[in-house]
Amino acid sequence: SAVISQKPSRDICQRGTSLTIQCQVDSQVTMMFWYRQQPGQSLTLIATANQGSEATYESGFVIDKFPISRPNLTFSTLTVSNMSPEDSSIYLCSVEGDRGLDTQYFGPGTRLTVL
Amino acid sequence: SQQGEEDPQALSIQEGENATMNCSYKTSINNLQWYRQNSGRGLVHLILIRSNEREKHSGRLRVTLDTSKKSSSLLITASRAADTASYFCATVPVNDYKLSFGAGTTVTVRA
Repeated sequence: SAVISQKPSRDICQRGTSLTIQCQVDSQVTMMFWYRQQPGQSLTLIATANQGSEATYESGFVIDKFPISRPNLTFSTLTVSNMSPEDSSIYLCSVEGDRGLDTQYFGPGTRLTVL
Repeated sequence: SQQGEEDPQALSIQEGENATMNCSYKTSINNLQWYRQNSGRGLVHLILIRSNEREKHSGRLRVTLDTSKKSSSLLITASRAADTASYFCATVPVNDYKLSFGAGTTVTVRA
């Protein structure tokens, strides 16, 4: 199984600022995913990030607010821009599993609090 | 988008008892998966059941799937304190790959 790390693990930010979250995988993967989990809620897919192409965003999420980079097959970043308290969530990255897209492996998450 | 609904929302049991949680979904699926999340951390994949399967076992876990009712259940037998976590079902629709998560069930196992 893939080992995924995220940085930072948590942060407290002021409204109006931006935070970039890093996701590093110990093996090369084609597809990476970014999810948001609002307090007490389930996971919602933000976007799918493939290396060498623009990320594909889900309904309700836009590139200006959540720009994503995918410079190689082991790394991706998600930026939360111009933050407001409503952006306080856990942000998780995931990658396709060993059997392709049947399963996903998740990173430990980044807990973001916006004041 | 969130497709699954889970019940109960929360469950408190004594160590050694069984825990059962249910998941319902709306569209036709390729497979259904269950994940565990400890204390707001990353998710751990527990088990996958395909649309043509009715029951699957993995250790102390038993999953059933009823595609006619669009529902699934997860049974944890002989629960332990370490099973305390939130459990999420996630569906993969036909001709898609994206996971759609249910609302989750929070399980507390009392020692």
